[in-house]
Formats: sequence, C-alpha cells, structure tokens
Amino acid sequence: GQNIDQPTEMTATEGAIVQINCTYQTSGFNGLFWYQQHAGEAPTFLSYNVLDGLEEKGRFSSFLSRSKGYSYLLLKELQMKDSASYLCAVMDSNYQLIWGAGTKLIIKP
Amino acid sequence: DADVTQTPRNRITKTGKRIMLECSQTKGHDRMYWYRQDPGLGLQLIYYSFDVKDINKGEISDGYSVSRQAQAKFSLSLESAIPNQTALYFCATSDLQGDNSPLHFGNGTRLTVT
Repeated sequence: GQNIDQPTEMTATEGAIVQINCTYQTSGFNGLFWYQQHAGEAPTFLSYNVLDGLEEKGRFSSFLSRSKGYSYLLLKELQMKDSASYLCAVMDSNYQLIWGAGTKLIIKP
Repeated sequence: DADVTQTPRNRITKTGKRIMLECSQTKGHDRMYWYRQDPGLGLQLIYYSFDVKDINKGEISDGYSVSRQAQAKFSLSLESAIPNQTALYFCATSDLQGDNSPLHFGNGTRLTVT
C-alpha cells in the first residue's frame, strides 16, 4: 500500500529552527508538496520538490531525497504565526496525491 | 473575496437526510476536487473533475455523488447522510497547465451528522 509518515506533533521555540520530516512509500513518484494549514482553515501551498536537493523560499526550505523516500520542511526564525499543521503530499505514478496526516507544530514564546 | 467559495460553512443534519455542499471558483481553473479531512488522517479524495463533462471517483466515493454544473461550480451530495460522514469537507481547484500545479482550497464545510 501507499503510505506517508510524518510526526504527529512537534514543539519549538519562537526564533528557533525546526525540521519536519516526511517519509513516503508510494507507487511511483511525480513530486512532493508541502502545505500549511492553520486550525479550522484551508491548507495553503508552501513548496514543491520533484528533483533531489534543497528548495529555499524565504524562511522556509524543503528538501527531497528520492532514493531514500524522504523529505523535510525546514522553518527558520520561527514566529508565533507559524503555529499550524504541516501536510506532506506525494503525487504517485497515476498523478494522484497521497496525503500524510499532517504534523501539528506548536510554537512557544 | 475568496477565489474558492464553499457553502455552507457549517451544517448539522440528521441521519438519512439528503444534503448538498456547494463550491464555486473565480480562478478560471479547469480541475476541481472534493476532499474530506478527519482528525488523524490525511486528506481523502472523494471525487474530481477535469472538465464540465468529466467526473471521476476518488478513493472514498461510496455514499457521495457530485455534479459539475459549469466550469466554476462543483457540488457534492450526500444522498442519505450517516454519522461516519461527519467530517471537514474541502473543495479545491488546480490549473490544467501542469501536474505540479498546487491545489487551491476553499475554506471548508464542517458537516455534522447526528
């Protein structure tokens, strides 16, 4: 079966750096997405990786290793507004999105 | 104004009732999707449509039906609601242009079936 694993919850301190991991086992691979979802709100797109390596976008970076079936989202200079759930999703060989359950990130002052 | 609008935002209904959730978009996207979100689970695809005359089942279509009335409108129906359909429902759109096109989500409909 297809599977996406993420930690259920993480806690970090304002101003610090946090890394949220995502491992996947899917039927083929056509890209990996990260979304941010604040409580009770819609998910919003953060990043897309299809080639190995690091994609940087401001305070957020996303890394992909296809051979290891692994990605991480790196958040720097954490702010209280970064408290949210972070969803990892992989597009399989049929171009269907497989979603992880999300990682709830709690930021403490 | 939101680019993807869902109505209603909240709905409480009783077992056996028929209900419809509506979605409209002003983004001009061809692709539209219905997902449900349950605590502790990833988003699950119910139905999707790539064009007005195109309807496709997702991974959990049983108990649901959809209608793509126009490019901008995609509605989801529960013919006879049951309590395990209590969930947060999201409509989403994406651009036809590329398979790496991100999804744009509506603000969700929280449905409770008693």
